[in-house]
Amino acid sequence: AQSVSQHNHHVILSEAASLELGCNYSYGGTVNLFWYVQYPGQHLQLLLKYFSGDPLVKGIKGFEAEFIKSKFSFNLRKPSVQWSDTAEYFCAVMPPGGYGQNFVFGPGTRLSVLP
Amino acid sequence: SAVISQKPSRDICQRGTSLTIQCQVDSQVTMMFWYRQQPGQSLTLIATANQGSEATYESGFVIDKFPISRPNLTFSTLTVSNMSPEDSSIYLCSVAGTSGFTDTQYFGPGTRLTVL
Repeated sequence: AQSVSQHNHHVILSEAASLELGCNYSYGGTVNLFWYVQYPGQHLQLLLKYFSGDPLVKGIKGFEAEFIKSKFSFNLRKPSVQWSDTAEYFCAVMPPGGYGQNFVFGPGTRLSVLP
Repeated sequence: SAVISQKPSRDICQRGTSLTIQCQVDSQVTMMFWYRQQPGQSLTLIATANQGSEATYESGFVIDKFPISRPNLTFSTLTVSNMSPEDSSIYLCSVAGTSGFTDTQYFGPGTRLTVL
């Protein structure tokens, strides 16, 4: 079965610091990769996704992620965080055309940005 | 992406009662799902709601406890039956297959359920 791990449970940064949240998955074939964000009191939103092509994907709000196939990783980055980036971040993996149990979420990383 | 609404947004219920949660999408979608997000945890898929037929449940979830309906391509309901405090959670509806993007899920705002 597929699994998704996220390196950190809780990350605390000061404003303007750089961010990298780790995501690793276990799946032997081609995958689609996602990062979702859940701001406090708000619903889950799609930040970015990777299906194929350029492994460096740009999303909304200045976020980007890099897919490294050899490392089974899809780390999320942002060069300079803001207080408004405080949220829970979830990595998710799914094989193309797959749904249901094949869409697997990581445990989430809580990001706290200090003003 | 589609606009997804859920009703109610939150509720407080007594043990042993049932609650039906509605999910409405503003456009037809191929697939609809129901998730549970327990406090401080990630999302767990409950079932895939199939239009016009029985839902497909994931391991650990059964129809008697979580009956699901999907009468058309824009609407689904999830009922949490015979509730206990362990059912306190956020229940999320998600959809896929909007505007040709079949491989991306979009989520509703969730229903926060507290069972006393």
